[in-house]
Amino acid sequence: EIVLTQSPATLSLSPGERATLSCRASQSFSASYLAWYQHKPGQAPKLLIYGASTRATGVPDRFSGSGSGTDFTLTISRLEPEDFALYYCQHYGWSQWTFGQGTKVEIK
Amino acid sequence: QVQLVQSGAEMKKPGASVKVSCKTSGYGFRSYDISWVRQAPGQGLEWVGRITVYTGNAIYSPNFQGRVTMTTDTSTTTAFLELRSLRSDDTAVYYCARGDVVVGMDVWGQGTPLIVS
Repeated sequence: EIVLTQSPATLSLSPGERATLSCRASQSFSASYLAWYQHKPGQAPKLLIYGASTRATGVPDRFSGSGSGTDFTLTISRLEPEDFALYYCQHYGWSQWTFGQGTKVEIK
Repeated sequence: QVQLVQSGAEMKKPGASVKVSCKTSGYGFRSYDISWVRQAPGQGLEWVGRITVYTGNAIYSPNFQGRVTMTTDTSTTTAFLELRSLRSDDTAVYYCARGDVVVGMDVWGQGTPLIVS
């Protein structure tokens, strides 16, 4: 099973700033199987990025994903008030799927 | 539009079983997998497993092996999650989600709270 470690646990930023979230895997895997989700309290998670870098339908272009092998990054270029939330990376594919433990992006 | 609508909140005693439903609409039910994910209070997201609707084959997280069964009813385009031998640490919100190995999980249900006490 692939273990995903996200850092930092909490990111304190102001609206308009850039957010950089990291996701590191315990072993290398294809970037085709890395997704990012946004989760707000009381709501269902929302798919942001799949295949490490492809934005899901309707996701603003301030969200971008990158990476390969064991190191992946979600970048939010300019934080909007609605972007303050929890973010999870996820490994998917043909066998076991796993989530990272999450990064909370909070208002500074 | 694509929708996944889950059954309502459940309260169970330890040792009991629960079956949560996920009614889908707006897309070809057989063309996607259905995954189940849970979030316990104060915890992160945990993948429970997924079922390939077309084949009926399911893959479960080792954390639930032996206690979980995922099924589908193609006549009603509904997916089901059954969890047995419930423990207090199964208290969580359970989500179903449509997806596959290309996109992960792209459309989610609203969640079903389960309390085991």
